Amino acid sequence: DQQVKQNSPSLSVQEGRISILNCDYTNSMFDYFLWYKKYPAEGPTFLISISSIKDKNEDGRFTVFLNKSAKHLSLHIVPSQPGDSAVYFCAATNSGTYKYIFGTGTRLKVLA
Amino acid sequence: DAEITQSPRHKITETGRQVTLACHQTWNHNNMFWYRQDLGHGLRLIHYSYGVQDTNKGEVSDGYSVSRSNTEDLPLTLESAASSQTSVYFCASSDSGGPTDTQYFGPGTRLTVL
Repeated sequence: DQQVKQNSPSLSVQEGRISILNCDYTNSMFDYFLWYKKYPAEGPTFLISISSIKDKNEDGRFTVFLNKSAKHLSLHIVPSQPGDSAVYFCAATNSGTYKYIFGTGTRLKVLA
Repeated sequence: DAEITQSPRHKITETGRQVTLACHQTWNHNNMFWYRQDLGHGLRLIHYSYGVQDTNKGEVSDGYSVSRSNTEDLPLTLESAASSQTSVYFCASSDSGGPTDTQYFGPGTRLTVL
């Protein structure tokens, strides 16, 4: 049973427009959520996170929104740039376990 | 600069052979993790360790083992490699200073089992 789901395997967006990546989870015990970005032949790198006590966290062009009642989070990238083209993984954890459960990833392609 | 390294970066082996993938971190992190990445499955946790002499099974631990004899290293051993273990393997580490310390990943090892 997949506890963290990214239902869109791929997404294409024009440069300068908004990219919205979605993630759903099923385990109500998750209280901390993260997004990682992965380029080919590299390891995932941390992008942004959000605690369950918040519904929004912003870092430059990246904003993560959390809807606890819907068990849904999303990553907004504004404006999108060609360098943002990568695979994005969402992850969830129960604080103190230090273990992450990852989604299957969404491949974002930003078109110049 | 502190970092996390994996070796080898690429490995081809035969079915039935024992293979060990190395992971070394210089952050002095307590927590270390091994994941495999497969198309359609994302990153799945194989084994993890919260400190020296501590090891725990993840969701896909069958056929794999780890040992933690010091803080810096967590080698992953495939006891008898199978074609189903062809994958990209990532090691990660995190501190345990807070409940949500970020995991930092190594560059990965691409393993092919023929």
